[in-house]
Amino acid sequence: QSGLTQPPSASGSPGQSVTISCTGTSSDIAVSNYVSWYQQEPGKAPKLIIFEVSKRPSGVTDRFSGSKSGNRAALTVSGLQADDEADYFCSSKRTGGTVVFGGGTKLTVL
Amino acid sequence: EVQLVESGGGLVQPGGSLRLSCEVSGFFFSGHYMTWVRQAPGGGLEWVAKIPPSGTPQLYADSVEGRFTISRDNNRNLLFLEMSGLRPEDTAVYYCAKEEWFRTDFWGQGTLVTVSS
Repeated sequence: QSGLTQPPSASGSPGQSVTISCTGTSSDIAVSNYVSWYQQEPGKAPKLIIFEVSKRPSGVTDRFSGSKSGNRAALTVSGLQADDEADYFCSSKRTGGTVVFGGGTKLTVL
Repeated sequence: EVQLVESGGGLVQPGGSLRLSCEVSGFFFSGHYMTWVRQAPGGGLEWVAKIPPSGTPQLYADSVEGRFTISRDNNRNLLFLEMSGLRPEDTAVYYCAKEEWFRTDFWGQGTLVTVSS
C-alpha cells in the first residue's frame, strides 16, 4: 500500500496563490470523491480543511479550495498569509474501504 | 466540545506489545466509525486501522495486518489499539480520530510509541 504522491515543498509570497498537488492511482483518487486535505502545524494534530474533494468544514476559510481531475487532486491556497505556513496532507478513500494519505507538503510563506 | 484523549504510549522493545487507549467525549461515540492514524518522527501520516460502530468488520493497513487489533467499548466510550510484534518502524505518534465518510474530522493529540532496544 504505497501512499499518495505530494511534492515535499511549496512556497509563495503573501497575497499570492499556491497549488499543492496530490497524485493517486486507479484504486483511490481516480475512483473516489472522498478526497480530503489536512493542515498540520508543528507539534499539533492535523486539522481537516477540505473534504469530499472541494467542501469546507464550518469555520475553515474560503481561501482554501480543492479540486480533482482523474487521479490527481489539488489544494489551492489563495491570498497567502503567514499563518498558512504548515504541512499539508491529502487523503483518499481506497477501493475496499481503507484510507490512504499523501506524504505531505511543507508550505513556506516567503 | 469533542475530545479524544489517547494514552498508553511508551518505550517498548522490538517484538514487544503495547495497548493504546482513547477516551472519547462530546459526540455520540457508538454511532461513528473510529480510526487510528500514525505519524513517524518527521514523517507523514499513515492510516492504520478503522472500526465501524458495531465493532466489525475492522480494516487494517497492510503494514500492521495480523499484528495490530482495533477494538472499542461503546459502553465506556473507549477505543483501543492492541499492538504486538512491534518493530522499530512502528515508532510513531499514534492519533485516535473520529471518521466520517472517509475523512477524519476530529483528532486527539496523539501518544508516542517508541520501539527500540
